[in-house]
Amino acid sequence: EAGVAQSPRYKIIEKRQSVAFWCNPISGHATLYWYQQILGQGPKLLIQFQNNGVVDDSQLPKDRFSAERLKGVDSTLKIQPAKLEDSAVYLCASSLDDQVYSNQPQHFGDGTRLSIL
Amino acid sequence: RKEVEQDPGPFNVPEGATVAFNCTYSNSASQSFFWYRQDCRKEPKLLMSVYSSGNEDGRFTAQLNRASQYISLLIRDSKLSDSATYLCAVNIPIGYSSASKIIFGSGTRLSIRP
Repeated sequence: EAGVAQSPRYKIIEKRQSVAFWCNPISGHATLYWYQQILGQGPKLLIQFQNNGVVDDSQLPKDRFSAERLKGVDSTLKIQPAKLEDSAVYLCASSLDDQVYSNQPQHFGDGTRLSIL
Repeated sequence: RKEVEQDPGPFNVPEGATVAFNCTYSNSASQSFFWYRQDCRKEPKLLMSVYSSGNEDGRFTAQLNRASQYISLLIRDSKLSDSATYLCAVNIPIGYSSASKIIFGSGTRLSIRP
């Protein structure tokens, strides 16, 4: 079974520039998550999709971050304009579903390491 | 209070030792609990789900205590290769829907010395 695919692996940009990340989840997984992980911290959920609908985006800085999953499969996360504090690893994960009682674990991609200069 | 809390460590123990981590959660409606392992500069990988009755996988044992709202991970006969960061993850119901989101703790760093 192919895992979660993410690209690019690394990205270096200057502050105020824009950047986009791409994620393709495991086939058949309805739920897709984007997490931000700052060095030394646990992953922080930015946005969660169930098929092509947003389930939770309460921690997404909406003035600069946006994400979409138009056809309910792959997804893109964009930052525009980037700030120094956005330097982090951006992890995409997927799971079969997100129901409270289904006990479905997440599977993560390799992540994109973003550095802002 | 944070939704999910872990002792950041680091725990530095000799090879062969037994080590235990706890993780507390604040939402009593949480139903799914996981332990992930994360190696340096790698993505988190599922170590084990935590079931109500407790479960064991080789040298690893996970327990859930609903009354006190914590989960635990016990590693017996620790190996050098167990050195990593251990993340607990808990699902939090979203509003009044049947959906939930998964929130991670900050991770506990474990270092096994020869």
